Amino acid sequence: AQKITQTQPGMFVQEKEAVTLDCTYDTSDPSYGLFWYKQPSSGEMIFLIYQGSYDQQNATEGRYSLNFQKARKSANLVISASQLGDSAMYFCAMRGYSQNTPLVFGKGTRLSVIA
Amino acid sequence: EPEVTQTPSHQVTQMGQEVILRCVPISNHLYFYWYRQILGQKVEFLVSFYNNEISEKSEIFDDQFSVERPDGSNFTLKIRSTKLEDSAMYFCASSEATSGDAYEQYFGPGTRLTVT
Repeated sequence: AQKITQTQPGMFVQEKEAVTLDCTYDTSDPSYGLFWYKQPSSGEMIFLIYQGSYDQQNATEGRYSLNFQKARKSANLVISASQLGDSAMYFCAMRGYSQNTPLVFGKGTRLSVIA
Repeated sequence: EPEVTQTPSHQVTQMGQEVILRCVPISNHLYFYWYRQILGQKVEFLVSFYNNEISEKSEIFDDQFSVERPDGSNFTLKIRSTKLEDSAMYFCASSEATSGDAYEQYFGPGTRLTVT
């Protein structure tokens, strides 16, 4: 079974500052993928970034980067130069590489960006 | 850019009624999913669907739920007799593949189901 733990129910960050959202995971799968999704108040789920368990380098997508520490089973999301539009819920998720394994989500972190 | 669409955006129904939530996955995708999110909680997997049959389902997906791909484009979730606790946001998702590289699952905008 897979499990995602997000220990920060809420975070505040000043506009233009960087923020790290924590995510730890547990799995018995030898190969897996880690994902971050953003959910604004409108409710849709927006894919942000993906990290494969065998990827040697940390994933980056624009202002988003994933700090992947495999030995610690952590996959923290770093948002640089925060913007007011970054205020949202952020969900960490994972799935195995086996066919059709569903995404398993954490409880999420609510990020509030302050002007 | 192709996207997953869902209708309706909001559905209000009385307890005991049947509801059908509709999704149109991205056209070249082969794998389809339904997830739900009770207000203020995390997203939970319900069911995955491939090659016109259920691949995997969670314990939430009991006999009250069913899925169908009736016409090659739509993907539906039916709840036969809704309960108050079925009130949630229901997300449809699709992906090109699931093995090998962990392909991204593209989510639709969701249908908010309110059972009164």
